[in-house]
Amino acid sequence: EDKVVQSPLSLVVHEGDTVTLNCSYEVTNFRSLLWYKQEKKAPTFLFMLTSSGIEKKSGRLSSILDKKELSSILNITATQTGDSAIYLCAVGNPTGTASKLTFGTGTRLQVTL
Amino acid sequence: EAGVTQSPTHLIKTRGQQATLRCSPISGHTSVYWYQQALGLGLQFLLWYDEGEERNRGNFPPRFSGRQFPNYSSELNVNALELEDSALYLCASSFTGEGRTEAFFGQGTRLTVV
Repeated sequence: EDKVVQSPLSLVVHEGDTVTLNCSYEVTNFRSLLWYKQEKKAPTFLFMLTSSGIEKKSGRLSSILDKKELSSILNITATQTGDSAIYLCAVGNPTGTASKLTFGTGTRLQVTL
Repeated sequence: EAGVTQSPTHLIKTRGQQATLRCSPISGHTSVYWYQQALGLGLQFLLWYDEGEERNRGNFPPRFSGRQFPNYSSELNVNALELEDSALYLCASSFTGEGRTEAFFGQGTRLTVV
């Protein structure tokens, strides 16, 4: 069965700190790894990483895919209170042209003043 | 462009009743995913539809069922509701061409079973 594991489960940091969130996966056939941020209800899409795009950056957020280690990290530098959220990792497992998405349970990040 | 829309936003049902949740994907998206998120827990995969077919289902009893219509909108039905079915139900849609898999979520339906 496909599995996505995220660590740590929760994290409390001070504003300005840098954090690294981890995601590891075991899937039968890997296509992509996606990161989402969930604040209240709907998770919002952050990044998609594939074999042809193993590193992405947007502002203070960046992510790297390590296909050899079957894992990914999400880095957030100079954290702000607005970064407080649950960060979800999902892996796309292709079936034909579509993909099943399997999510990890998420990392709850709390940024304090 | 409209995002993924879900209805209703909130739903209160009594134990034993049936609930129907609806999802309209982003225009052009053919895949719809349903997830259950109980309070304090992660997203549990329920169902995945693509091109009108059920492609996969998670570890949920048969009283959780659904369908996808020709316009790619989808319905999730939960029969014989139990108290533990109370959760946020999220729908996501994705485009399946060219190997793209990023999925976008709706705001969810909060189902409360009393």
